[in-house]
Amino acid sequence: GAVVSQHPSRVICKSGTSVKIECRSLDFQATTMFWYRQFPKQSLMLMATSNEGSKATYEQGVEKDKFLINHASLTLSTLTVTSAHPEDSSFYICSASSNGGNSPLHFGNGTRLTVT
Amino acid sequence: DQQVKQNSPSLSVQEGRISILNCDYTNSMFDYFLWYKKYPAEGPTFLISISSIKDKNEDGRFTVFLNKSAKHLSLHIVPSQPGDSAVYFCAASAGGNTPLVFGKGTRLSVIA
Repeated sequence: GAVVSQHPSRVICKSGTSVKIECRSLDFQATTMFWYRQFPKQSLMLMATSNEGSKATYEQGVEKDKFLINHASLTLSTLTVTSAHPEDSSFYICSASSNGGNSPLHFGNGTRLTVT
Repeated sequence: DQQVKQNSPSLSVQEGRISILNCDYTNSMFDYFLWYKKYPAEGPTFLISISSIKDKNEDGRFTVFLNKSAKHLSLHIVPSQPGDSAVYFCAASAGGNTPLVFGKGTRLSVIA
């Protein structure tokens, strides 16, 4: 079946540094990928929709200058958390659909970011 | 304002019995509903879905029921197995490329 690979699975960084998270669709082309964030005991909150070859669409309240999204190819989207702060510590998950839209989404295994 | 609500944060069921996970939604534009299962430190995996033109969809031990008038859906797992222990997320979409909206999840524990 369709597989989405996310890397790294876990990262610890110092406050003020930047962290890049990669999301790859391994056996299908994804024109659209989604980035979610999950706080403990909370639902998956959509951060942004990443469109191949164009700018990402950010949800309200998500700082586009802080969470840089690049979707340079049909199989790769990256999320860069710039100038990370402890409050950015969270679980970040990417997803993609093999047939476009939401039906259904395949998720990466997520990245646990801890900012010290 | 939560558009998708899973009011039970946890559920405990004995092996072999039926597990019923509930989900309510408020947005009448939602026309596609999905259930995802999530183990710790992993991303959610798709389980089953239903479109608004149906009121039931069955796949093996998993059945999803949709009551549009009540804006309510439920996931039935029968018989429940210990391997079903996970967090289950309900998600809804208004169609097309509109983003999925997730509930907070229900942690299911199936006790042997």
